[in-house]
Amino acid sequence: AQSVTQPDIHITVSEGASLELRCNYSYGATPYLFWYVQSPGQGLQLLLKYFSGDTLVQGIKGFEAEFKRSQSSFNLRKPSVHWSDAAEYFCAVAPGGGGFKTIFGAGTRLFVKA
Amino acid sequence: GAVVSQHPSRVICKSGTSVKIECRSLDFQATTMFWYRQFPKQSLMLMATSNEGSKATYEQGVEKDKFLINHASLTLSTLTVTSAHPEDSSFYICSGGGDSETQYFGPGTRLLVL
Repeated sequence: AQSVTQPDIHITVSEGASLELRCNYSYGATPYLFWYVQSPGQGLQLLLKYFSGDTLVQGIKGFEAEFKRSQSSFNLRKPSVHWSDAAEYFCAVAPGGGGFKTIFGAGTRLFVKA
Repeated sequence: GAVVSQHPSRVICKSGTSVKIECRSLDFQATTMFWYRQFPKQSLMLMATSNEGSKATYEQGVEKDKFLINHASLTLSTLTVTSAHPEDSSFYICSGGGDSETQYFGPGTRLLVL
C-alpha cells in the first residue's frame, strides 16, 4: 500500500539556520511527489512538486527538495529559515497522471526561534 | 495556479442538524474532486473521491450515508454532513485537478458541532 512517512513530528531551528525536513514514501512506482505548507487554520499551499526529470526541484519561498529514488526519499530543504516559515509541512504522493487522490504524510511542525 | 474556493469558511451548528459545504473550481473544470478531513494537529485524511455525474467513491471507514457528496457540475462539488455530532467537528478540505497533474486545494471549512 502507498504510504508517506515524515519521521519528525516537530523540528525547532534558529532563524537563519538551515532546515531539512525528511520524507520517505512507499510506492509501487515513482509517484508524483509534493511538499505543502499549512499555516494554522489555513488551507494548503503548494511549495514544490516532482514529476520527472531533474531530481533537485526548486520551489517557492526559497525551498528546494531532492528526489532520491534509491532511498525513496524526497527531503525538503531551505538554506536560511525565516520566522515566517514556522508552519506545518506535509509531504504527499500521488500516482502518475492527473486527477488522482493524494496521500499525505503526518506532517512536521516547524518552530523557528529568534 | 488554479483556484479552488470553499464555502462557508467556518460553520457552527447544533448536534443533529445537517451542514452543506461547497467546493468550487473557479478557473478550471474538475471532473474529479477529493474531500479530506483534518483533525487538530493531524494530517489530512482522504474521505472520498467525488466524480462529476456519478456516485462518489468513499474510503474505508467513511459512512457514505452520513457524508453525502454531490458533484453535479464540472465546477462544483458539495459535501453534506448529515445529522452532525460533536465528533464530526473538523477541518474539511477539498481539492480538484481535472486533467492536470496537480491537485489544487481549497482553503478549508472549519466545522464545529455543539
